[in-house]
Amino acid sequence: ELKVEQNPLFLSMQEGKNYTIYCNYSTTSDRLYWYRQDPGKSLESLFVLLSNGAVKQEGRLMASLDTKARLSTLHITAAVHDLSATYFCAVSDTTGNQFYFGTGTSLTVIP
Amino acid sequence: DSGVTQTPKHLITATGQRVTLRCSPRSGDLSVYWYQQSLDQGLQFLIQYYNGEERAKGNILERFSAQQFPDLHSELNLSSLELGDSALYFCASSVGGNPYEQYFGPGTRLTVT
Repeated sequence: ELKVEQNPLFLSMQEGKNYTIYCNYSTTSDRLYWYRQDPGKSLESLFVLLSNGAVKQEGRLMASLDTKARLSTLHITAAVHDLSATYFCAVSDTTGNQFYFGTGTSLTVIP
Repeated sequence: DSGVTQTPKHLITATGQRVTLRCSPRSGDLSVYWYQQSLDQGLQFLIQYYNGEERAKGNILERFSAQQFPDLHSELNLSSLELGDSALYFCASSVGGNPYEQYFGPGTRLTVT
């Protein structure tokens, strides 16, 4: 079974600072997803990364994928309070049919 | 609003009972996925249906079953409920069977007492 590890589990950061969330997975994967979940809400798709070296950016968030290292990062630039949420990475296996989620990173941005 | 609807929003039931959760995908989406989110297990993929056929199974218990109907809505049936089945159940939909993007519904919160 494919394992997905995220770190850190909890992240408290000040507004205006930069930080990176890491997502490691155990075996070859077809694609890598990042999601955001606000408390009591559903999941919102942020990024889908399909190939080695893929980089996607939306606002203050940038995601990248290194398939050789089996590592994806979600970089937060100049954090603002609105980014406070839990962020999940997920990986599908090579069939694209099975999905495995990381444990989530609970991000709190402090004014 | 993702366009995916789930009913009911909340469900409280007793151990040993059986419940049915319903999901309507976005218009035009052929795939439906079911997920369970709990404090103990995190987010787990349960099962996927594509155009009425089961496509993939994840960590779905034998007490749980699902189906997708000709109108593409899906139901997740949970039977012989245990306290540990208390969780948020999400469904998601996508256009194809190998999704570039999944759209998640608001979830059904199940509490087993």
